[in-house]
Amino acid sequence: GAVVSQHPSRVICKSGTSVKIECRSLDFQATTMFWYRQFPKQSLMLMATSNEGSKATYEQGVEKDKFLINHASLTLSTLTVTSAHPEDSSFYICSAPGALGANQPQHFGDGTRLSIL
Amino acid sequence: AQKVTQAQTEISVVEKEDVTLDCVYETRDTTYYLFWYKQPPSGELVFLIRRNSFDEQNEISGRYSWNFQKSTSSFNFTITASQVVDSAVYFCALSQRNTGNQFYFGTGTSLTVIP
Repeated sequence: GAVVSQHPSRVICKSGTSVKIECRSLDFQATTMFWYRQFPKQSLMLMATSNEGSKATYEQGVEKDKFLINHASLTLSTLTVTSAHPEDSSFYICSAPGALGANQPQHFGDGTRLSIL
Repeated sequence: AQKVTQAQTEISVVEKEDVTLDCVYETRDTTYYLFWYKQPPSGELVFLIRRNSFDEQNEISGRYSWNFQKSTSSFNFTITASQVVDSAVYFCALSQRNTGNQFYFGTGTSLTVIP
């Protein structure tokens, strides 16, 4: 079945560091990918929709300059947390639909646990 | 507006008991899809089931069953004879034809199965 690979699985770094997270669709093309953030014991909150070949669409309240998204190919989207601070510590998850359409289940990466010291 | 409500934040059951996880949704779209995902402690999200708004037939898959009722806008999930490996957070999600692949997640229900 469709698989989404997310890397790295865990990052621990100092405040002020920029962190890049990769999300790859391994056996299918994804013109759209989604980035979520999940705080402990909370639900997944959609941060942005990554669109191949065009600008990402950010949800209200998400800083575009803080969370840079690049979707340069049909199989890769990256999320860069720029100048990360402790409040950015969270679990970040990407997803991609196996095909376009509301009836398609999302295929999720295994998530990246980001800890900023 | 679209919304998914999982009123049960945490549930604990003893192994072999049956447990039902509730999900209530709101949408104005006549064509929509409902999903359940499982998130074990390791964090990955595992797809369990999809249901479309035109199909109210209940479904059973092994120890899992789902009860979809449009009249009450509910899509409940029952685990029969629960096992310790069922311990996880379970999310109900909604997508709508007019918003494409975008998912709306409920707040999740944390299930603990006690041996």
